[in-house]
Formats: sequence, structure tokens, C-alpha cells
Amino acid sequence: QQQVKQSPQSLIVQKGGISIINCAYENTAFDYFPWYQQFPGKGPALLIAIRPDVSEKKEGRFTISFNKSAKQFSLHIMDSQPGDSATYFCAASKGGSYIPTFGRGTSLIVHP
Amino acid sequence: SQTIHQWPATLVQPVGSPLSLECTVEGTSNPNLYWYRQAAGRGLQLLFYSVGIGQISSEVPQNLSASRPQDRQFILSSKKLLLSDSGFYLCAWNTGSADEQYFGPGTRLTVT
Repeated sequence: QQQVKQSPQSLIVQKGGISIINCAYENTAFDYFPWYQQFPGKGPALLIAIRPDVSEKKEGRFTISFNKSAKQFSLHIMDSQPGDSATYFCAASKGGSYIPTFGRGTSLIVHP
Repeated sequence: SQTIHQWPATLVQPVGSPLSLECTVEGTSNPNLYWYRQAAGRGLQLLFYSVGIGQISSEVPQNLSASRPQDRQFILSSKKLLLSDSGFYLCAWNTGSADEQYFGPGTRLTVT
């Protein structure tokens, strides 16, 4: 199956806290796992991405953790800021397919 | 650098009227092009994608159609809009499979 399950649907975090969003997939052929950030009224933008040859990738306050055996990957936002308030989408795709599979999105609110 | 444009930014149309949304990409050749729809507070629904001029793949049967008259131009059309066509329409591009997508600013369509 092509499904990617994302949780939670919504998340409220205090400023300075850690935000964690999880995604699980079924298709073991997936080999590219990006996260997108979308602000209200804007198009999504690539935030960070990982390929299955590594278990973790960090860019500033954003980290992807990847567990190939469990078929799960997660986004961690350290020291969350009100400016991080947005909708986050995970996605998965595989070589040879032009159709990415997106999670349903997580609405993150960071309270000041 | 590459840029993606969408217009119009917002559109209010009566039920039964035609629709034409345009997307153009600058700074790249032979991109893969995508149309997504996002209902309020919901995820991304892939409508169409194209890997070349005149090549259109439809993911969801409905009263919408897409065309790619030029390499970097993607058009979404409808002959008669339905209330259910309301949403946020996003165009996106990339250069290969299993690759990040770059989204446009979107068109907010309200069908009244």
C-alpha cells in the first residue's frame, strides 16, 4: 500500500518545548522521506528530508529520525518557537514513481 | 534560480461557470508538474501530474482537466464548476522521481 499515516493531527507546544510529529509507512520500496512546512495561505515548502541510508538528519533545530525496521520516521523541532506554528506534512516516495504519498498533516501551534 | 508562478491568487466563481488556473515554472527545463487541491484544514490531494508536454495523468476522476501546452506551463480547467471544487489549488514541480517538490503560492478558489 502507498499510505503514510501521520500523527498527531494537531499539536500544541509551549515556547521552548520539543515538538514531535510521527509518520509510519507500509511500502518498503519508499526511499525518500521529506517533511514540508506550510504557513496559512501559502504553499508547502521543503523543510528537511532523509533517505533510508541514515537514521538521523539534523538541520538547525529540526531533526528527522528514521527507523527503517519499524517503517517509521519522525520530525523533532527543538526549542519550538511561535514562528514554527504551521502545518507539517510528511511524505514518502520511491524511485521510478512520480507520485509522492503525503501524510494528512499536523497543525502545530507554539504558544509564547 | 527556479521560480514557480500561479495565477490568479484568489478567485470567486459561481456554480456552473468555467475555470482556468495557470502555473508556470522558470529556470528549469522539462520539469515534472503537478496540480494538488487542499480543502480547508485538510491534506494534499493530487489531481494531475505531467512528465512532459502533452502527457497528463489523472489521479482523481472529476469535472476538472489539465493541459500542458508548453514545457513549463500547466493549466487546470473546468467547463462547469461545482460547489465541491472550492479549495486551495497548488501547482508543484520537480525534476525527477523520488525528489522534493517545489510548490507555488497557490490559488484560493471559492465557488458560490
